Amino acid sequence: GAGVSQTPSNKVTEKGKYVELRCDPISGHTALYWYRQSLGQGPEFLIYFQGTGAADDSGLPNDRFFAVRPEGSVSTLKIQRTERGDSAVYLCASSLVGLSGNTEAFFGQGTRLTVV
Amino acid sequence: DAKTTQPNSMESNEEEPVHLPCNHSTISGTDYIHWYRQLPSQGPEYVIHGLTSNVNNRMASLAIAEDRKSSTLILHRATLRDAAVYYCILQPFGNEKLTFGTGTRLTIIP
Repeated sequence: GAGVSQTPSNKVTEKGKYVELRCDPISGHTALYWYRQSLGQGPEFLIYFQGTGAADDSGLPNDRFFAVRPEGSVSTLKIQRTERGDSAVYLCASSLVGLSGNTEAFFGQGTRLTVV
Repeated sequence: DAKTTQPNSMESNEEEPVHLPCNHSTISGTDYIHWYRQLPSQGPEYVIHGLTSNVNNRMASLAIAEDRKSSTLILHRATLRDAAVYYCILQPFGNEKLTFGTGTRLTIIP
């Protein structure tokens, strides 16, 4: 497809379970970002990949959160031992070579995660 | 990171121009000014960005004050589809993070 694709669009899980959220960036985009958006707030940065490597993971809230991008395209955000506070919309974005101020990011529609 | 200040909400009539203000008094010389918008139940969408000069694209215009401490996003003729939350973001050169605030919720009145 032409845009950033995220699956699933909705995920309901029980507290304590493990979840994986998938992001397919725009083909050829080397930069990939994960954000989290709570109700009524703007998106918050989680992690940035350049190619296969996590160049900045300073936004990950704790060690229950982990993300990978093994082949430099698809990325998976993994959350262990989910808590009710993890409920949010998780957004993925990609950029051709990186933002660095002068380019744009393309966002997916997000995965709405609900922990019950 | 330098911060931006936007009104929480604005209303505009359909087919009228809309001016969305943003204050960024602590902007540094290498900060780009970006605008994104987020329609209901969608991810953010890029609108426009600039550094010093005014910018125009098919979606909007960006007017940047001479001292760069403020900017205005201009939608020339608002439609109902422009109802969204608009975020003004300062993007330092070399920084990959977009720091979103709470934005301005724009309501378009038919």
